[in-house]
Amino acid sequence: NAGVTQTPKFQVLKTGQSMTLQCAQDMNHEYMSWYRQDPGMGLRLIHYSVGAGITDQGEVPNGYNVSRSTTEDFPLRLLSAAPSQTSVYFCASSYSTEFPLHFGNGTRLTVT
Amino acid sequence: GQQVMQIPQYQHVQEGEDFTTYCNSSTTLSNIQWYKQRPGGHPVFLIQLVKSGEVKKQKRLTFQFGEAKKNSSLHITATQTTDVGTYFCAVNGLYGGSQGNLIFGKGTKLSVKP
Repeated sequence: NAGVTQTPKFQVLKTGQSMTLQCAQDMNHEYMSWYRQDPGMGLRLIHYSVGAGITDQGEVPNGYNVSRSTTEDFPLRLLSAAPSQTSVYFCASSYSTEFPLHFGNGTRLTVT
Repeated sequence: GQQVMQIPQYQHVQEGEDFTTYCNSSTTLSNIQWYKQRPGGHPVFLIQLVKSGEVKKQKRLTFQFGEAKKNSSLHITATQTTDVGTYFCAVNGLYGGSQGNLIFGKGTKLSVKP
């Protein structure tokens, strides 16, 4: 049982490049979400999904896209990377927000 | 959307001293969750409080939910170096078209001097 798996662990991008952060969970969780963590800012919600085919925006969605074609996978796409997107990104899943969130190990992204 | 204020932002204690972090909301909460994040790690769930005035204990950690369900606290008795990390509260927020996504406080970073 792997839990929540995020790839890659580290990534360096140049401004304007695009990339996809992968997230997969094997717990049959309906709810999945992406957070970014910046020093002193806590965890800010980017996008979330309450089930396959359903996604919605969180607190800081600009510059990011998501899709949820299967229950297991919830990739986060950076369309045109900017230095302001330098951060640590966490994917998390749960049966619902009434239950504990299980976090992946995070992706540390640097945009130069 | 739902906002939750967490204080203090930082706390430095001597090993053996007590530690408390607080979360406050301007609106009534349905429940509150607490997480711990070790340095370099990811947040890990500690506990969920649901009932008004609820108090739960986990060894040296005591969690309280206010009577009005607008505030909560985490108290650690006799801190140890293993308690080092950032403690977050999380509440159900409202973004987009749905309720039911977790919004985190900014966290309290605890350092413990041996």
